[in-house]
Amino acid sequence: AQSVTQLDSQVPVFEEAPVELRCNYSSSVSVYLFWYVQYPNQGLQLLLKYLSGSTLVKGINGFEAEFNKSQTSFHLRKPSVHISDTAEYFCAVRSNSGGYQKVTFGTGTKLQVIP
Amino acid sequence: DSGVTQTPKHLITATGQRVTLRCSPRSGDLSVYWYQQSLDQGLQFLIQYYNGEERAKGNILERFSAQQFPDLHSELNLSSLELGDSALYFCASSVEGRQWDEQFFGPGTRLTVL
Repeated sequence: AQSVTQLDSQVPVFEEAPVELRCNYSSSVSVYLFWYVQYPNQGLQLLLKYLSGSTLVKGINGFEAEFNKSQTSFHLRKPSVHISDTAEYFCAVRSNSGGYQKVTFGTGTKLQVIP
Repeated sequence: DSGVTQTPKHLITATGQRVTLRCSPRSGDLSVYWYQQSLDQGLQFLIQYYNGEERAKGNILERFSAQQFPDLHSELNLSSLELGDSALYFCASSVEGRQWDEQFFGPGTRLTVL
């Protein structure tokens, strides 16, 4: 079975402060990891993805994430948030099992940036 | 703008009815995905098509079906609708449909079942 856990449903943070959004996953096969952002009344947009190689992945809008295999985590970070970062963030895992692609999303974390 | 279009934007219907949601992928993308986003279930993958053929299936109910046409647009058919089917339905597309391909999401169709 494959699962994704986003431990925080809401994260309030002051503007220009750093933020970390947590994501843990479990899977019995190799996975690809993704972070998406969803602004109000919009579809999802890819922030970054980890496929292989360097465990530190840089994405758009100044976000980065670190893949930690031993802790099965893929936490998203930004050193200094902006008001425009207020949105919902989803962690997702994709794998291939028996030739079939499987996609699992976390429940999302709402980031609220306070001026 | 992701380049993925979905129609209609909003749909209000009654229980027991059938509706069809339409998705046009980005130009050049061969793969289409359907997702359901609801308050109680979160974001769930329903089904994927690649160049007209079903590629992967997620938590799609038997009352739901989809297809991808030769011009690569896709339709999601929802029948015998229940109150619990009220949700945002997203379509996404990618170039090849591989696990690592970036998916581009449409703006969604909001379905309300009364």
